[in-house]
Amino acid sequence: EADIYQTPRYLVIGTGKKITLECSQTMGHDKMYWYQQDPGMELHLIHYSYGVNSTEKGDLSSESTVSRIRTEHFPLTLESARPSHTSQYLCASGYRGRRGGPHEQFFGPGTRLTVL
Amino acid sequence: AQKITQTQPGMFVQEKEAVTLDCTYDTSDPSYGLFWYKQPSSGEMIFLIYQGSYDQQNATEGRYSLNFQKARKSANLVISASQLGDSAMYFCAMREGQASGFGNEKLTFGTGTRLTIIP
Repeated sequence: EADIYQTPRYLVIGTGKKITLECSQTMGHDKMYWYQQDPGMELHLIHYSYGVNSTEKGDLSSESTVSRIRTEHFPLTLESARPSHTSQYLCASGYRGRRGGPHEQFFGPGTRLTVL
Repeated sequence: AQKITQTQPGMFVQEKEAVTLDCTYDTSDPSYGLFWYKQPSSGEMIFLIYQGSYDQQNATEGRYSLNFQKARKSANLVISASQLGDSAMYFCAMREGQASGFGNEKLTFGTGTRLTIIP
């Protein structure tokens, strides 16, 4: 079972502030993902990474940026937070395995962000 | 067109009864995978069960089973003997393409079903 951590769990911040949401996993997974989820709604992929120095934009456009300097760490940054960024942000990781396996993604507990 | 459709926004079920959560999907890729995740009020996503498009048998994991009807493109989750702890949001998700470890492992999620178990 994967161990994946997100900090902070809850963040309330004013408009215009720069924020970084942290995500770390201890299983050595190559792949990591960031999803955005509004309350009671589906998850939308905003960023993903296949490994160190690899980052790609997801299906939903986002003003956030990510970096992957270490395998275990995949932080998400908002340079200038706005109320429209209020949402839950979920980090996930996955592994390269044998062909045909489920390759399920393991999720962190999420960060609930509120921008005032 | 929606790739994953969950038509039940909410369901109320008596404790100990079985419940079926509906999921239909749309893809032209012959190779795909279907997942069910549970999201309690605490917010984390918990993987429940997986069905590959080439799997001959329906997947089962404890009280969870997946009613996979390929021709109808449906992958309904069945929870037997429901418990109060089953109250949560349930999401169906799909990965298109072969999960070889070098391809696309992105998941597309449905809008979810909020399941409430009544004592």
